[in-house]
Amino acid sequence: ETGVTQSPTHLIKTRGQQVTLRCSSQSGHNTVSWYQQALGQGPQFIFQYYREEENGRGNFPPRFSGLQFPNYSSELNVNALELDDSALYLCASSRGTDLYEKLFFGSGTQLSVL
Amino acid sequence: GENVEQHPSTLSVQEGDSAVIKCTYSDSASNYFPWYKQELGKGPQLIIDIRSNVGEKKDQRIAVTLNKTAKHFSLHITETQPEDSAVYFCAASTIGGGADGLTFGKGTHLIIQP
Repeated sequence: ETGVTQSPTHLIKTRGQQVTLRCSSQSGHNTVSWYQQALGQGPQFIFQYYREEENGRGNFPPRFSGLQFPNYSSELNVNALELDDSALYLCASSRGTDLYEKLFFGSGTQLSVL
Repeated sequence: GENVEQHPSTLSVQEGDSAVIKCTYSDSASNYFPWYKQELGKGPQLIIDIRSNVGEKKDQRIAVTLNKTAKHFSLHITETQPEDSAVYFCAASTIGGGADGLTFGKGTHLIIQP
């Protein structure tokens, strides 16, 4: 088990609502990345946070936003939820942003949008 | 952007036999290739990784090979055991490092038959 914790574990929302997912990084890690994993697919990169700022972003619209706090924990916010947002959202922490830094994933938040 | 193809989608082997999972990537700038194992209800766990300046890496029963010319890399598991049953993902990352995120394949469901 990694030291990355995510909450909540499961969440059900209605289309058009907003949701906030939370992540606590592993001790000693200052970088957090978020991934979306649709059923039967590999994880897809949403964005990365380093020093409380977005450090890189995948192909996701602006209604996906995030925060990183001084203790390196992070939030993922999704506005105007769509049915296709239903997925497992994974948080991963690492010691830095270097190419070869290993990512340690949490168990994820399963989001269902009805 | 990078595209990673993974085969097969499902692989069933007898306990004690070897398993091989293959991936190809499209971006010749990719130079870091990790493999993750995901068990039901858990996040992906890094099992082995390889850098582009290395052709092969081994860790006990697990090995990874990389052919940069052909842009493909493979995971080899020998003497398979029941606890090897899981979904395995290959991934690739470019020089941009963590800020560009990892690009994952769609996964291989490995089933170890007793």
